[in-house]
Amino acid sequence: NAGVTQTPKFQVLKTGQSMTLQCAQDMNHEYMSWYRQDPGMGLRLIHYSVGAGITDQGEVPNGYNVSRSTTEDFPLRLLSAAPSQTSVYFCASSYNYEAFFGQGTRLTVV
Amino acid sequence: GQQLNQSPQSMFIQEGEDVSMNCTSSSIFNTWLWYKQDPGEGPVLLIALYKAGELTSNGRLTAQFGITRKDSFLNISASIPSDVGIYFCAGPSGGSNYKLTFGKGTLLTVNP
Repeated sequence: NAGVTQTPKFQVLKTGQSMTLQCAQDMNHEYMSWYRQDPGMGLRLIHYSVGAGITDQGEVPNGYNVSRSTTEDFPLRLLSAAPSQTSVYFCASSYNYEAFFGQGTRLTVV
Repeated sequence: GQQLNQSPQSMFIQEGEDVSMNCTSSSIFNTWLWYKQDPGEGPVLLIALYKAGELTSNGRLTAQFGITRKDSFLNISASIPSDVGIYFCAGPSGGSNYKLTFGKGTLLTVNP
């Protein structure tokens, strides 16, 4: 059982670069979401999707884009990376209240 | 938005000790969730609580849904080194079953 797979696990970007964080799930869950985790801040919701073709903003959406063309995939795009986006990013897929998280992507923007 | 306040922020205990942590909110939650995050991993659901007053166990872990629906408690009995990690409370917010609000976490360190 793969569950939720995130790639890459680590990434260093220069300010202004763009990149896409990949997330795939094999549990056929309709709901997927992206969180960022910063020290002492817990997990904050960036964007979420309730199904293919439907996305919405979470608590901290600025600087990030998402799309959901399939049930399985939910990529997160950083349009122009900034040092404030240095964080650990978690993708999750959910069934009812239970969210299943990936292992995270540790992103550093220099 | 709804906020969850967890305490304590961190705990340093000896192996074998019992642990208590709690989570409070100024708003009512209809579901309380407790997650654990091992170092370098994503959070994993430990216990879900769906009813005010409910007491649920998962091995050495016991969680309670407060009567006021504004708080929840997690207890760990006879701690062991693998209990180390960050414990988060969470609850659905914004009228959605799926949008979760997380507390800032309690960092637990267990000294063997």
